[in-house]
Amino acid sequence: EAGVAQSPRYKIIEKRQSVAFWCNPISGHATLYWYQQILGQGPKLLIQFQNNGVVDDSQLPKDRFSAERLKGVDSTLKIQPAKLEDSAVYLCASSLVLDEQYFGPGTRLTVT
Amino acid sequence: AQSVSQHNHHVILSEAASLELGCNYSYGGTVNLFWYVQYPGQHLQLLLKYFSGDPLVKGIKGFEAEFIKSKFSFNLRKPSVQWSDTAEYFCAVNRYSGTYKYIFGTGTRLKVLA
Repeated sequence: EAGVAQSPRYKIIEKRQSVAFWCNPISGHATLYWYQQILGQGPKLLIQFQNNGVVDDSQLPKDRFSAERLKGVDSTLKIQPAKLEDSAVYLCASSLVLDEQYFGPGTRLTVT
Repeated sequence: AQSVSQHNHHVILSEAASLELGCNYSYGGTVNLFWYVQYPGQHLQLLLKYFSGDPLVKGIKGFEAEFIKSKFSFNLRKPSVQWSDTAEYFCAVNRYSGTYKYIFGTGTRLKVLA
């Protein structure tokens, strides 16, 4: 089966610019996650969708980050405006409810 | 604060040495436990998981982990490591608190010397 797809793989932007990341989960996976992984740290959950509804966004900096999952399939994560501390790898994962997560390759964001 | 702790941040071993990576969590109640691995240049992938039943679970590539409820621990072991086990290992906990939430540990970077 096809894995979780993410694009772009790399992005370099200046602070205060905006950026968007795209994720296509594994077909049939109802749950989709966005994580932020800063160098030397474990993945930090930003937002979790169940189908197209948000079930947890408690760690999403809502003043600058937004995410949506249209029709319960693809998802986009946006940062506007970006700050230097947003430099990280953004991971998308999907799963059947409660089960293991399947991760995409991630998007490495550098904010200068 | 509720958390998942991995106390070994960097581990260096020679091939054929035994491995044990610690993982402790601070949540009460029912949890599901996972170990994920990230090989250089590859995606995070599942190594093994525990939901219920036998507390000693076996995963891929000869890895196993033991769930000790009284110690809130889920340590990862392998009796004899190989150079190809060089990777970063993450413990994760999935628990119910109004909704199911995944929490990852900070990871352990393992380097195996040939």
